[in-house]
Amino acid sequence: GEQVEQRPPHLSVREGDSAVITCTYTDPNSYYFFWYKQEPGASLQLLMKVFSSTEINEGQGFTVLLNKKDKRLSLNLTAAHPGDSAAYFCAVSADTGNYKYVFGAGTRLKVIA
Amino acid sequence: EAAVTQSPRNKVTVTGGNVTLSCRQTNSHNYMYWYRQDTGHGLRLIHYSYGAGNLQIGDVPDGYKATRTTQEDFFLLLELASPSQTSLYFCASKGVAETLYFGSGTRLTVL
Repeated sequence: GEQVEQRPPHLSVREGDSAVITCTYTDPNSYYFFWYKQEPGASLQLLMKVFSSTEINEGQGFTVLLNKKDKRLSLNLTAAHPGDSAAYFCAVSADTGNYKYVFGAGTRLKVIA
Repeated sequence: EAAVTQSPRNKVTVTGGNVTLSCRQTNSHNYMYWYRQDTGHGLRLIHYSYGAGNLQIGDVPDGYKATRTTQEDFFLLLELASPSQTSLYFCASKGVAETLYFGSGTRLTVL
């Protein structure tokens, strides 16, 4: 089945710096790609999503890049601020109709003011 | 905004105990999911369902049963709880554009 590897598990950056979180996946049939944000003690909220027909998606200070050839999904934060401190999870689902979502292990991002 | 409500928020039981976690969504979503979240593993799928009476096996189903009684309600059952099932459990439902909506989570401790 699908396997998703997320790196790095922990990331600490200074305010204004950039940050990159990467997920690699194994199933070539993967079609739906998501990034979820989890603030401390809270539930998961959708941050961004990208589908197979798009390669780049931007919003909220983040850019999502999808490279299907390399089976790599990345979340790029261009100018971090302390409010971005949270755990981030990628999620991947294949277009097979079973609607199973496989999550990465998460990245705990800390933005230092 | 889709609403997913989990109960209880916290639960403590002993080894061998019987536990039921509840989840209700009021948005008529077809798909509902139970995940467990553990440090270093992210979210792992236990069971999911696409409608009342339906159950699909997830990736880590051992020791768990689930039942979807109505479109709204999805229950996770631990009939003989073990310390390895100490975890944070999330329920989710799938809305439009494949987006998952998560509940607030249930923290389960098995002593």
